Amino acid sequence: DTAVSQTPKYLVTQMGNDKSIKCEQNLGHDTMYWYKQDSKKFLKIMFSYNNKELIINETVPNRFSPKSPDKAHLNLHINSLELGDSAVYFCASSPHNTGELFFGEGSRLTVL
Amino acid sequence: QKEVEQNSGPLSVPEGAIASLNCTYSDRGSQSFFWYRQYSGKSPELIMFIYSNGDKEDGRFTAQLNKASQYVSLLIRDSQPSDSATYLCAVIWKRSGATNKLIFGTGTLLAVQP
Repeated sequence: DTAVSQTPKYLVTQMGNDKSIKCEQNLGHDTMYWYKQDSKKFLKIMFSYNNKELIINETVPNRFSPKSPDKAHLNLHINSLELGDSAVYFCASSPHNTGELFFGEGSRLTVL
Repeated sequence: QKEVEQNSGPLSVPEGAIASLNCTYSDRGSQSFFWYRQYSGKSPELIMFIYSNGDKEDGRFTAQLNKASQYVSLLIRDSQPSDSATYLCAVIWKRSGATNKLIFGTGTLLAVQP
């Protein structure tokens, strides 16, 4: 069983569209994250939830809206996609917001 | 100054040699330090963490921490071609009244030559 799974793995879409990425973890962790990795491989935190509560909300455009229906799931919705949103988005989880993160396989978003 | 700095490389070492990867951080209050490995096209995976000054060994990997110098390193002994990857240094970033967050460096690309 995959510990942290994300869907879809690839998204190709036009500017202005809206898209969602889903993430699920079966590790029993209480903290989940979204990270963005750009073309230069820099991995930057976007959001974090602990037991469904938003605990980290970085300086991210409000076109990005995370949602955690329960502590095993964390979704990311992006409105009005822009070219600069093209990146790989990683979901991760950890026990108790430690630095020991388990990453999903990533979702590569390409905005045309 | 960036919060976590690494030389982007590539660092090229011959098979069997020791690879030394270095990282500096700017927050003197940081207490927890991590090394992640990321193969091309894959997700990062945790390989080492260190919380105390000194060395911590795990198989062929040794993490070294010097809090006074705000420096953390990863040594890979007997480097193998399968060690070729990007190594990401990460530091728990603490701010008063705010939630801790894990900040990554830009990574060092290691290439082990057969």
